[in-house]
Amino acid sequence: QSALTQSASVSGSPGQSITISCTGTKSDIGGYNYVSWYQQHPGKAPKLMIYEVSNRPSGVSYRFSGSKSGNTASLSISGLQAEDEADYYCSSYSRSSTVVFGGGTKLTVL
Amino acid sequence: QVQLQESGPGLVKPSQTLSLTCSVSGDSISSGDYYWSWIRQSPGKGLEWIGYIYYSGSTYYNPSLKSRVIISVDTSKNQFSLQLSSVTAADTAVYYCARDRDGYSNFDSWGQGTLVTVSS
Repeated sequence: QSALTQSASVSGSPGQSITISCTGTKSDIGGYNYVSWYQQHPGKAPKLMIYEVSNRPSGVSYRFSGSKSGNTASLSISGLQAEDEADYYCSSYSRSSTVVFGGGTKLTVL
Repeated sequence: QVQLQESGPGLVKPSQTLSLTCSVSGDSISSGDYYWSWIRQSPGKGLEWIGYIYYSGSTYYNPSLKSRVIISVDTSKNQFSLQLSSVTAADTAVYYCARDRDGYSNFDSWGQGTLVTVSS
């Protein structure tokens, strides 16, 4: 069970849009529509932003959206704001009822 | 609104067993609506899923930790617990307990996390 692959960092200016990718295998992302995304600010617990590939929990801004193609999932953030600067992690349900996380992507708002 | 709170020793000696408890308020573990998980984060590193438990006692573990992990539940106290045996410095991390909406990696509520350091 290997961790999902995320780029280490991404940046964008306020108002711009960015996309963070998360690559797995057919045993996790490619095999199930159970990809989630989490936002983590320094010293804080992660917060669920997207679940089941593209669903937003109540209270999460419409600026956050998710998608999936094959073994790769993506998180898009539109209209970047300073408060979006954080670490973002993807996770996926995997075979044998296990869960795997990505290594995390640090988003910098310039 | 559900709240989760981790508790346990912040310092554990190498080769000993790490034990943590997660107390749940605002929701009943025995309702059967959720799965209850442990997740850890080594300093400066990413998240690692340890495992989860259902109110019935069914457990699922990370294969890389399975030989050392036991997760248990006490529905009468509305708590679930983690035991990790034979710890080394590599087990030093912030340990989070979390609620999973459906057992499919949808962790919608988290505790604040507790730092456990493994050191002699």
